[in-house]
Order: sequence, then structure tokens, then C-alpha cells
Amino acid sequence: AQTVTQSQPEMSVQEAETVTLSCTYDTSENNYYLFWYKQPPSRQMILVIRQEAYKQQNATENRFSVNFQKAAKSFSLKISDSQLGDTAMYFCALIQGAQKLVFGQGTRLTINP
Amino acid sequence: DTAVSQTPKYLVTQMGNDKSIKCEQNLGHDTMYWYKQDSKKFLKIMFSYNNKELIINETVPNRFSPKSPDKAHLNLHINSLELGDSAVYFCASSRGDLAKNIQYFGAGTRLSVL
Repeated sequence: AQTVTQSQPEMSVQEAETVTLSCTYDTSENNYYLFWYKQPPSRQMILVIRQEAYKQQNATENRFSVNFQKAAKSFSLKISDSQLGDTAMYFCALIQGAQKLVFGQGTRLTINP
Repeated sequence: DTAVSQTPKYLVTQMGNDKSIKCEQNLGHDTMYWYKQDSKKFLKIMFSYNNKELIINETVPNRFSPKSPDKAHLNLHINSLELGDSAVYFCASSRGDLAKNIQYFGAGTRLSVL
């Protein structure tokens, strides 16, 4: 079975700081995909970034980037120049098969003014 | 235009009642999903339909029955509601393989069973 673990239930940083959210996973697949989703107070789940395991280059989307360490099965999310609108729950997720996302427990991130 | 819409947004009901949550997507996707998010925010898939065919059915009580009348709709019916069913239920859709395509979520339905 595939599992995703987020060891930080809550984090809090000041606006404009950089913050890194941790995620580790376990899978027996050789090729797989990893995701970070954001859930703001509005509850809407929004895809932040995705990484294909066979690509060594870390994915980047504007202020969001990942540190993908395949051997260590680690997939952390870095948010640079954090903004108040980044306040949300962040979920790490892994594809199982073609149609099933397995989510971590989530990290509640608060950006303080 | 809302891509994935769920109704109602909030549902408060008594134990033992039967209720339905509706989901519609206007993205032309062929795969739809239901997820349950519990009080600790843990999000877990319940069902998935591809072209109206059930393809994922996790360990969910028989009281939960999804119905897909067409590719654009996936409704969730819950019989004999229990306290433990209280959660936020999310509908989602994608075009086929999740590895290659983005999954879009609805805004969720908060179900409270009293």
C-alpha cells in the first residue's frame, strides 16, 4: 500500500518569509507522480504543483518549488516570499494506479502580517 | 462558470435520515470522484466513475451509493445516516489518467448529522 506522511500539523511564518513543508511517502512503483494541493478557508482544493518521479529536475511554479529526493522518498514544498493569501491547509498526495490520489494528513500553514 | 459544482454546500440532518449530494461538472471530463474529509482534515477517496462505470470503490459502508446518470454527473446517496458520517464531501473530476491530467475539485458539502 502507498502512504503519504506529513509530519508538521501546523506551521506559522511572517509575511515575505520562506517556508518549507515536509512530505515523505512510500511506494513500490518505479514511476509515479506527486502533488501538492492547497485548501484555503474557502475549502476549495487547488493544485499547487506536480512532480513526475522519473524527472530529476525539481518542479517550479512561480513562488512555489519542490525539493524531490527520490532515494529518500521525500517531497517538500518551498514557498518563497510568502503572502497572506498562502494561508491554507496544504496536502501532499501521491498517485496510486491511474485514478487514485492518496493524501497526507495535511499541514496547516498560517502567514502572519 | 463553476467547473465542478456540488449542491448543497451545507446539509444538516438527523440520524437515520436518507440524503443525497449532487455533483455536476462542465469540463467535459470522463472521470468523476467522491472524497470524504473528516474532522481531522484527512481526505480519502470513496468512489470513482469513468464514463458512468464504477472503477474505484473503497471500503465504504453499503449505505453510501453513488449514481452516475451521465458523464457530467455523479451523485452520492447516503441511507440511514449516522453520526460518523459527519464530514465534508468533495466531488472532483478529471480527464482520464490522473498522472497526466489535473483533477478539479468542487467546493465541498459539509454534512452534519445530529
